[in-house]
Amino acid sequence: DAGVTQSPTHLIKTRGQQVTLRCSPKSGHDTVSWYQQALGQGPQFIFQYYEEEERQRGNFPDRFSGHQFPNYSSELNVNALLLGDSALYLCASSLWLTGPNTEAFFGQGTRLTVV
Amino acid sequence: GQSLEQPSEVTAVEGAIVQINCTYQTSGFYGLSWYQQHDGGAPTFLSYNALDGLEETGRFSSFLSRSDSYGYLLLQELQMKDSASYFCAVRGDYGQNFVFGPGTRLSVLP
Repeated sequence: DAGVTQSPTHLIKTRGQQVTLRCSPKSGHDTVSWYQQALGQGPQFIFQYYEEEERQRGNFPDRFSGHQFPNYSSELNVNALLLGDSALYLCASSLWLTGPNTEAFFGQGTRLTVV
Repeated sequence: GQSLEQPSEVTAVEGAIVQINCTYQTSGFYGLSWYQQHDGGAPTFLSYNALDGLEETGRFSSFLSRSDSYGYLLLQELQMKDSASYFCAVRGDYGQNFVFGPGTRLSVLP
């Protein structure tokens, strides 16, 4: 049973460029959440997708956008990259209907470096 | 909104017991969770408390006091592999996303 998989594992981009990160949820999960984790800090919630719609969004600018596909996989897109976007981007999957008392399963993350 | 506070660092020796505290502020409470993250790794779920009291899972225990908006993670019989960052987390306003604390870096010394 595959867990949450993310690609790529590492990425280096130049300021102003655009990047797409990918996530496949744990088998049987239908909800994908994205988090940004700066070095030495806790993960910060970006947004969440369920039934191919953005259901909730954290305090991130519109440069951050996403998509969920019919197979529940998801993409995170970041436009006009800034140096401050350098971070570990984590994907977490869960089941929508099981409610808030369930654990989230995280992928290993994508380490994005903006130079 | 939600906010959480944790000590930034804790150091202990192998075989010892360590307690990592967490205080939180949240408008709606759905329970307190704890996650472990090794350097370069994914956060992994350790425990969840919805009600007051102590939950025990092997060497790890977690405690919650809702009246004090306070919880802690207790790690017993520390091992070198327990060196990691530990995050407490609460659910966001709509109960679906997590809001994480800043993390406590635990260093276990031989």
